Order: sequence, then C-alpha cells, then structure tokens
Amino acid sequence: EAQVTQNPRYLITVTGKKLTVTCSQNMNHEYMSWYRQDPGLGLRQIYYSMNVEVTDKGDVPEGYKVSRKEKRNFPLILESPSPNQTSLYFCASSFRGIGNSPLHFGNGTRLTVT
Amino acid sequence: GENVEQHPSTLSVQEGDSAVIKCTYSDSASNYFPWYKQELGKGPQLIIDIRSNVGEKKDQRIAVTLNKTAKHFSLHITETQPEDSAVYFCAARGLINTGTASKLTFGTGTRLQVTL
Repeated sequence: EAQVTQNPRYLITVTGKKLTVTCSQNMNHEYMSWYRQDPGLGLRQIYYSMNVEVTDKGDVPEGYKVSRKEKRNFPLILESPSPNQTSLYFCASSFRGIGNSPLHFGNGTRLTVT
Repeated sequence: GENVEQHPSTLSVQEGDSAVIKCTYSDSASNYFPWYKQELGKGPQLIIDIRSNVGEKKDQRIAVTLNKTAKHFSLHITETQPEDSAVYFCAARGLINTGTASKLTFGTGTRLQVTL
C-alpha cells in the first residue's frame, strides 16, 4: 500500500531532550516536507526537500533540523525541544514537487514537550 | 510571501444542504489551488485541486471555483452527508523568492459539521 509512515504517533518528552520523528514513504517520491499544525494557524511548513541531499527551510524552521540521505526517509530532529514546539506534526511527500503531483500526508505525530 | 485567508472557521449544515468555504490569497503569481480534507486522527487528504488556467472544476458532489481577478477560490459541497464532517484546508502554491522552487501556503482550516 502506497503510504507515508510517521513514527511515533504520540510522543511526550521534556525540555532539552533530543528527539527524532521518522518519516518514510514507499512511493519513490522526490519531494518531502514537514509541517506543523496548531489551532487557528493551519499547517505551516518547517522544512522541505526537493531530492536526496537537497533540503531547505520552510516558514518556521527555528529549532528543527532535517536530513535526506535516502530518497524514502526524511527524519525531523529536535536537538533541544522546548514547550513551544508542542504541536501536531505531519510529513508529506509528492512525486515531483508542489502542484506537479498530489501531496500525500502521513497520519501525524502529536508531540508534547513539558 | 503568500498569505491565505479562509472563512468560515466553523460551519454547521443539515444533511442534504450545501456547504461553501471561501479562501483568498495575496500572491497574484500563485497558480495552483488544492483543497484538503482532514478527518479526526488522520493526515490531510487531497480532495480536489484547480489550476489558474481554469475557472471551475467538479468532481461528483464537490466543486471548486477560482476568481483570479479577485484572488479568491471556493469549495462547494452539495447534498452534504455525515461523512463530509471534517476539517477542510485550502492552499495556494506560490514561488519562493521568485525562484523556481514552490511551496504551498495553507489556510487556517474550516471545521464542517453535517447534522442529521
């Protein structure tokens, strides 16, 4: 089944403890992206990647890192999480970038930082 | 950069009635406008999209209209059913800093409730 898989679905952590949220797609997509969803703010892009070893900042990159060493994986790294990073996170992918093919989303990771 | 405004934030309709959600965008260069449906506990799913060279597009009970001059686009759902209850997001694709890379800017979402 074609899908975007995020893990974990739920994560509770403490301020300053490094964490990684994994994202994997099995559709051979070139484009991958991370969004955060907050009430009243919609979906905001954190980072995106046009292809392997090509990443760039979105609208809200502060406090986050990403890497794209393989085409299928695009992990989101929080080196020192803070409470304002408590949010619902979505990974998404598409075959050739925005508008050229549909954007497929994972089912989300709900992160709580205390 | 692009700014997308979406209204209303909540919408309640009776089963069988129509629902309309409206979005405006700021970047006249935006050329692709998708709509996503997000059900509880799931990620957004594309339901329909429209490109700037088209004024209207239909897919069964859903349709999207685009007015490039006024820079607004709308989602129309006819004969609503309980399974249409969800959060709907509009989005617009613009260019990043006049480069070739593009990004989607999302609206803030509309929670649609279809009541029996």
